[in-house]
Amino acid sequence: QKEVEQDPGPLSVPEGAIVSLNCTYSNSAFQYFMWYRQYSRKGPELLMYTYSSGNKEDGRFTAQVDKSSKYISLFIRDSQPSDSATYLCAMKGDYKLSFGAGTTVTVRA
Amino acid sequence: EAEVAQSPRYKITEKSQAVAFWCDPISGHATLYWYRQILGQGPELLVQFQDESVVDDSQLPKDRFSAERLKGVDSTLKIQPAELGDSAMYLCASSLRSFSTDTQYFGPGTRLTVL
Repeated sequence: QKEVEQDPGPLSVPEGAIVSLNCTYSNSAFQYFMWYRQYSRKGPELLMYTYSSGNKEDGRFTAQVDKSSKYISLFIRDSQPSDSATYLCAMKGDYKLSFGAGTTVTVRA
Repeated sequence: EAEVAQSPRYKITEKSQAVAFWCDPISGHATLYWYRQILGQGPELLVQFQDESVVDDSQLPKDRFSAERLKGVDSTLKIQPAELGDSAMYLCASSLRSFSTDTQYFGPGTRLTVL
């Protein structure tokens, strides 16, 4: 079993819809949680970084962490075609980053 | 805005040939990482440097892969000989330090195709 599980999708939504992404993990040592966005043929770029249970909001993006359930989520409100990308969850306990497989999202205009 | 630079962006080679990838981290970043990302999967760490020293190379196939960061700045990842299964995106990332709270910034990657 992988340390980080993420449904690869793909996920297709109409413009303006809410995109909901999630990951589960098994390593209780993970304390820091991130979401990266990766456009086709590009490197991942950091979207959100959280280190405590609860919600963190940044513009149209909300990251949610539930350490008791070992479950993290990313919500994208008012989705735009420019949000079409692969979204990777990532987490770490000390220095080593463990990634999910990524969920490919397409926002249809 | 400072970025991690990588070259080449694309590399096509035949199996058994040698290939090399170069990475220049963000200026001042002491920690440098090389990842491999197979299509449809998340990146997996191959090697981590702190300045010029290797901190973690536990997932680096040392029989064919080597990495160096001689002056603690830029870095080279080499594969010799390349195998079909090495086809992947090779990503370089850097962070200010190696603390848990430090953000890793990724370069654009080198896409390797082994024929």
